[in-house]
Amino acid sequence: DAEITQSPRHKITETGRQVTLACHQTWNHNNMFWYRQDLGHGLRLIHYSYGVQDTNKGEVSDGYSVSRSNTEDLPLTLESAASSQTSVYFCASSDGLAGLYEQYFGPGTRLTVT
Amino acid sequence: AQKVTQAQTEISVVEKEDVTLDCVYETRDTTYYLFWYKQPPSGELVFLIRRNSFDEQNEISGRYSWNFQKSTSSFNFTITASQVVDSAVYFCALSESPIRYGGATNKLIFGTGTLLAVQP
Repeated sequence: DAEITQSPRHKITETGRQVTLACHQTWNHNNMFWYRQDLGHGLRLIHYSYGVQDTNKGEVSDGYSVSRSNTEDLPLTLESAASSQTSVYFCASSDGLAGLYEQYFGPGTRLTVT
Repeated sequence: AQKVTQAQTEISVVEKEDVTLDCVYETRDTTYYLFWYKQPPSGELVFLIRRNSFDEQNEISGRYSWNFQKSTSSFNFTITASQVVDSAVYFCALSESPIRYGGATNKLIFGTGTLLAVQP
């Protein structure tokens, strides 16, 4: 069965370190997204991609970067982790255009920055 | 600006009660999509329903029903005869219009969620 996976599921890191969160989907979806979930804010969009070599900034992109070298993967990098980036991170993917298709979410990565 | 408001932060009901989760949205677009997602205690996000702006018919799926009213910019979700397994955070989300941005877009704008606790 097709799926979307994230790794690691839990990560503790120190302030200032670079961290990369992996996202891999086997749906063959063109669209991929990274969100962070914080209490009182719901899910907020960090970066998104509509295809290979395409990346775009979302609502809360400062301090994060992504790259899309193939259809299946969209890794999220925290260049220099900050305590404000302690959060639960969700990757999602969808097919098609214009909100016509729902997004499928990964299981999430809980990141703690100490 | 586009926005989704879920004014109910937490709701607690007793099993078998009916409960309605409110969702109010703001958009300047004439074409848009609305979604509901469920996040159970295990943490994953589960898609429940998608509705486009041209379809105001209410939808029923088992104990779940959705009431979409463009006149009040609302897309409310009702659970009939609630069960303990319905305990979760429920998110309403809005998808931006492709026409407005001149191309494909599938970004979701989420509300802050409503925590539903169903007591046995």
